[in-house]
Amino acid sequence: ETGVTQSPTHLIKTRGQQVTLRCSSQSGHNTVSWYQQALGQGPQFIFQYYREEENGRGNFPPRFSGLQFPNYSSELNVNALELDDSALYLCASSFDHYEQYFGPGTRLTVT
Amino acid sequence: DAKTTQPPSMDCAEGRAANLPCNHSTISGNEYVYWYRQIHSQGPQYIIHGLKNNETNEMASLIITEDRKSSTLILPHATLRDTAVYYCIVTQGGSEKLVFGKGTKLTVNP
Repeated sequence: ETGVTQSPTHLIKTRGQQVTLRCSSQSGHNTVSWYQQALGQGPQFIFQYYREEENGRGNFPPRFSGLQFPNYSSELNVNALELDDSALYLCASSFDHYEQYFGPGTRLTVT
Repeated sequence: DAKTTQPPSMDCAEGRAANLPCNHSTISGNEYVYWYRQIHSQGPQYIIHGLKNNETNEMASLIITEDRKSSTLILPHATLRDTAVYYCIVTQGGSEKLVFGKGTKLTVNP
């Protein structure tokens, strides 16, 4: 059974650019959630996708958007990057109402 | 805001039991207690969850008080690899959005 994978591992972008982060959910899982973790803080919920539909959103601006594909993998897109977007971005997958399993994260640095 | 309160840090000797407390005095009847841990710079790892009964799995035990206002995560024989930040989270379901607080930084000492 393959766990949750994320790509890329690290990424450096310039302020104002756009970025796409990818997540492959664990086999059999139909729900993907994205979290942002700033240095020294706990993860913060960005949004969740359930069977390709957005199923909840945290307190993040519209320039944070996402997609879930028929195979339940997912993308997180961030437009107009700001310095404060520098963080570890975590993807977690789950099946229906069961517990979430996290990937290793993508470290994004905005300069 | 997180609905739980945890001590910021704890120490434990290797081989001894680590008991991590969590207060969740405003928990609702349909809310679960979930525990995750995060080893430095890795993704959080699911440990265990419970509703009102005590639970045990291969990683840990979860003791929930009868009034459900607090709980304790027990690592029976802590190892150096258990050094991590432990998060106690109250949620209506495992797949619901998880609200992380600051957690407890557990350091297991040799």
